[in-house]
Amino acid sequence: DAGITQSPRHKVTETGTPVTLRCHQTENHRYMYWYRQDPGHGLRLIHYSYGVKDTDKGEVSDGYSVSRSKTEDFLLTLESATSSQTSVYFCAISEGDSSGGHEQYFGPGTRLTVT
Amino acid sequence: RKEVEQDPGPFNVPEGATVAFNCTYSNSASQSFFWYRQDCRKEPKLLMSVYSSGNEDGRFTAQLNRASQYISLLIRDSKLSDSATYLCVVNPSTGNNRLAFGKGNQVVVIP
Repeated sequence: DAGITQSPRHKVTETGTPVTLRCHQTENHRYMYWYRQDPGHGLRLIHYSYGVKDTDKGEVSDGYSVSRSKTEDFLLTLESATSSQTSVYFCAISEGDSSGGHEQYFGPGTRLTVT
Repeated sequence: RKEVEQDPGPFNVPEGATVAFNCTYSNSASQSFFWYRQDCRKEPKLLMSVYSSGNEDGRFTAQLNRASQYISLLIRDSKLSDSATYLCVVNPSTGNNRLAFGKGNQVVVIP
């Protein structure tokens, strides 16, 4: 299994509070991704990173920010959590290159509940 | 039109039977195709890549039909442990390291 960990694995927080989720990899892969998965929607990309300090938005980026100060760590921050952000969050990594389309490997996920 | 479409099922399959399902993709320029397996409350895991010539891994066979823009997965001799959701995944455009995920085909293998 790819060396990807996520923390915390479970979190319950209140509406309006900031929350930071961490993804850590030991594979030295260039690309890292944050997804959310909700019933009826499948996996949706929030943000991704193609290198240290290089990030871009995905399809559902509103209300989220990310940072990548080291190759191995990719942080996802919910600036002011809302109930609509209750979800399962998955981090993924990929080697990536100019041809694109490499497979991605997923972390175990974080279950976030916003009350 | 969604980038990747799958019939969610569920597909109820007797143990030992064969099950097959397709997914369609919208971008004819798509270059990379994968099937992932996701167990309940777990992360998706790569099952197999799908090549133009098709590929087989034990009881699992994947095919790509570029003309009709679909990929398929066939599972032979179904086991109880095959019960899972199978995600169709496509790289929608060349040079882009993003993947588009289908919502998955739920397979339930019945004893």
